[in-house]
Amino acid sequence: RKEVEQDPGPFNVPEGATVAFNCTYSNSASQSFFWYRQDCRKEPKLLMSVYSSGNEDGRFTAQLNRASQYISLLIRDSKLSDSATYLCVVNLIGGYNKLIFGAGTRLAVHP
Amino acid sequence: GAGVSQSPSNKVTEKGKDVELRCDPISGHTALYWYRQRLGQGLEFLIYFQGNSAPDKSGLPSDRFSAERTGESVSTLTIQRTQQEDSAVYLCASSLGGASTDTQYFGPGTRLTVL
Repeated sequence: RKEVEQDPGPFNVPEGATVAFNCTYSNSASQSFFWYRQDCRKEPKLLMSVYSSGNEDGRFTAQLNRASQYISLLIRDSKLSDSATYLCVVNLIGGYNKLIFGAGTRLAVHP
Repeated sequence: GAGVSQSPSNKVTEKGKDVELRCDPISGHTALYWYRQRLGQGLEFLIYFQGNSAPDKSGLPSDRFSAERTGESVSTLTIQRTQQEDSAVYLCASSLGGASTDTQYFGPGTRLTVL
């Protein structure tokens, strides 16, 4: 079983739609959680951290359920510029910032 | 300020040749990471450097892979006797320190193609 699993998509949605991505992780000792965004043939960039209480950044909302080992990302009012691959990332407990990446979920927003 | 830079941006090599990939981290960042990303896959951790501490090499897939870092500056990833399965994008990242709160900033990657 992969340490971080995501639905690969693609999710094809019209502009203005709300879309949700899910992610599960296998190691219950995981400590920190993130969503990264990766544009085609570009490097990943941090989108947002995910906190236990849930957090929001503009149109983006991240949720964490430690009991179910489940992370989600909600994008409201999708824009064409949101088209990218969204990577779910987990940091294992163990002394340093060792990130474990999911394979990513591809989002395509169309006019 | 300048971000993480990597060179070359693309490398095509023949099976069996050695290749060397370079990473220049953000100035002042003590932690440096190498990852590999195969087509359509997530990033695989390869190696981690933190200051003058011994590196964590636990992600290196075989003894054909090695990496060095001089102090808190440039790092090189070397792949000896390349194989076709080594074809991937090799990404370098740096962070201010090694704490989980320190954001990793990625370079643009080196796309390696082994023929």
